Amino acid sequence: GAGVSQSPSNKVTEKGKDVELRCDPISGHTALYWYRQSLGQGLEFLIYFQGNSAPDKSGLPSDRFSAERTGGSVSTLTIQRTQQEDSAVYLCASFRLAGNTGELFFGEGSRLTVL
Amino acid sequence: KNEVEQSPQNLTAQEGEFITINCSYSVGISALHWLQQHPGGGIVSLFMLSSGKKKHGRLIATINIQEKHSSLHITASHPRDSAVYICAVKGESNYQLIWGAGTKLIIKP
Repeated sequence: GAGVSQSPSNKVTEKGKDVELRCDPISGHTALYWYRQSLGQGLEFLIYFQGNSAPDKSGLPSDRFSAERTGGSVSTLTIQRTQQEDSAVYLCASFRLAGNTGELFFGEGSRLTVL
Repeated sequence: KNEVEQSPQNLTAQEGEFITINCSYSVGISALHWLQQHPGGGIVSLFMLSSGKKKHGRLIATINIQEKHSSLHITASHPRDSAVYICAVKGESNYQLIWGAGTKLIIKP
């Protein structure tokens, strides 16, 4: 597609339920990032994938969070046993380096509300 | 001390003014990004720089690698430029991005 696609755009769930958020990056982009943003706050890094290298999971806030990227393309962020503090907009970005320049594109985000 | 520092944190200016937002970093980088986020909106990449200067419309971004400093300038500012402007640097050896805290810009008509 032309941009980074995220789904669902909005998700309301009950505390304790599991959720899956999907990111479909731009074709050919090597790196894929997951961030979250709480209302009025900056970006909080969660995880990033770079090619076939092991992902950098250093930003995942707890073991309830996991992510995978299949076939170097689509990524899924899974949150198990959701808590109210997980409520945020989850943003995916993909990046391609081309010589001295590059492309960094963000998706529109998945807004998660945990009741 | 944060590895990427932006200044000012908040900036309010009148329409038409020349705006400068600064980004300083303390790590080795291979590239620096400037991004924009409108209130309630998505994040849009404005520039990626590894040296020199880039211009797009009324936006100009410069970087001085030796001084580890970049600036984003907006000429003839307009209320629609009101947004948070974020600087992010890409490390030398990987794709990790280190983010500044953002500069909230308000342009008053």
